Amino acid sequence: TQLLEQSPQFLSIQEGENLTVYCNSSSVFSSLQWYRQEPGEGPVLLVTVVTGGEVKKLKRLTFQFGDARKDSSLHITAAQTGDTGLYLCAGGEGTGNQFYFGTGTSLTVIP
Amino acid sequence: DAGITQSPRHKVTETGTPVTLRCHQTENHRYMYWYRQDPGHGLRLIHYSYGVKDTDKGEVSDGYSVSRSKTEDFLLTLESATSSQTSVYFCAIRGVAFTGELFFGEGSRLTVL
Repeated sequence: TQLLEQSPQFLSIQEGENLTVYCNSSSVFSSLQWYRQEPGEGPVLLVTVVTGGEVKKLKRLTFQFGDARKDSSLHITAAQTGDTGLYLCAGGEGTGNQFYFGTGTSLTVIP
Repeated sequence: DAGITQSPRHKVTETGTPVTLRCHQTENHRYMYWYRQDPGHGLRLIHYSYGVKDTDKGEVSDGYSVSRSKTEDFLLTLESATSSQTSVYFCAIRGVAFTGELFFGEGSRLTVL
């Protein structure tokens, strides 16, 4: 069962453009995490959000957790080629022992 | 560096043969996870462990078994590999923060012919 749906699945943009990636679910999560993965490597954590409506910023990346804790978004301002990668959201279930991953968004930033 | 080592990193095997993947951690963390990654499916949880000899099933556990006899090692076994188990397998450990961030190994690419 895929609990988290990400959109878009693929995204190709020019350097300097802005973009938003969405992570949606019908389930409520105790926390939501965003990871970035490069080819041949494991995912690396970018951020964790835990409170409904929470907004976190990491340089040019802005993460938001939905008020109902069912969805999240990742906004990148002025994308750079170094942002290229696979972005994955992951929701933590109630006890915090299991984490369900989204389908992923593959981002390519063209110079 | 989260101190996670997966072995082997690459393996090609034939249908019906047993396969064991090993995950070794140097961080002494309690929780360890095995995920598989396939195009269009993201990462799917196979099994996880919450202590020595304590394991539980994930969403895609059929055809897989695990064992954890020591804190540092978590083994994933395919008793009789099938072509549908061709995938990239990732081991992860859970950090100590209450929100439970995961730290991943570099993955093991398994091809079942």
